[in-house]
Amino acid sequence: DTAVSQTPKYLVTQMGNDKSIKCEQNLGHDTMYWYKQDSKKFLKIMFSYNNKELIINETVPNRFSPKSPDKAHLNLHINSLELGDSAVYFCASSRGSSDGYTFGSGTRLTVV
Amino acid sequence: GEDVEQSLFLSVREGDSSVINCTYTDSSSTYLYWYKQEPGAGLQLLTYIFSNMDMKQDQRLTVLLNKKDKHLSLRIADTQTGDSAIYFCAEKRNQGGKLIFGQGTELSVKP
Repeated sequence: DTAVSQTPKYLVTQMGNDKSIKCEQNLGHDTMYWYKQDSKKFLKIMFSYNNKELIINETVPNRFSPKSPDKAHLNLHINSLELGDSAVYFCASSRGSSDGYTFGSGTRLTVV
Repeated sequence: GEDVEQSLFLSVREGDSSVINCTYTDSSSTYLYWYKQEPGAGLQLLTYIFSNMDMKQDQRLTVLLNKKDKHLSLRIADTQTGDSAIYFCAEKRNQGGKLIFGQGTELSVKP
């Protein structure tokens, strides 16, 4: 299936741990994104990569570090997890300037 | 969604039309989108409109754009219970091409 796939779907971890979320797209898109959706459903962009190059880096703590090994993958690594990091994280990709984004199904991160 | 505003809730009866409204702030945004999010799922692109258009129709969906007032609406005809979801409008900013989302409107369809 052509899609944006994220793993894991659910992640429960303790404060202070380091965790990674992986994202892969097989749509041939050049640009990939990470969005955070909080408990009020508010969606905010975190990062954007175009052909492995960082193009958007919103005001996000340094504990969050994206990594793009190739244009089909954009992983998100989070150090020293805090309670406030609990949210649903969505990966997305797009092809060109007129295209909307194709979203993954999300990773629900719960920090306890 | 500090720059894109939507009302939070809308409740309609099955078979009625639903109209979800959105206002945005960046007049240079070239594309505006409507996404649907069902519980526990990702966002599904429903439709989009280019900024030089006033209206776009796609089956039961009609998008109206008033660029002067920066107002966007989504009309769903003959609303069904399966349409119950959160609907997000989004504008694509020229700078970086990022999508800025509204807070989402939760549509509840009652039988």
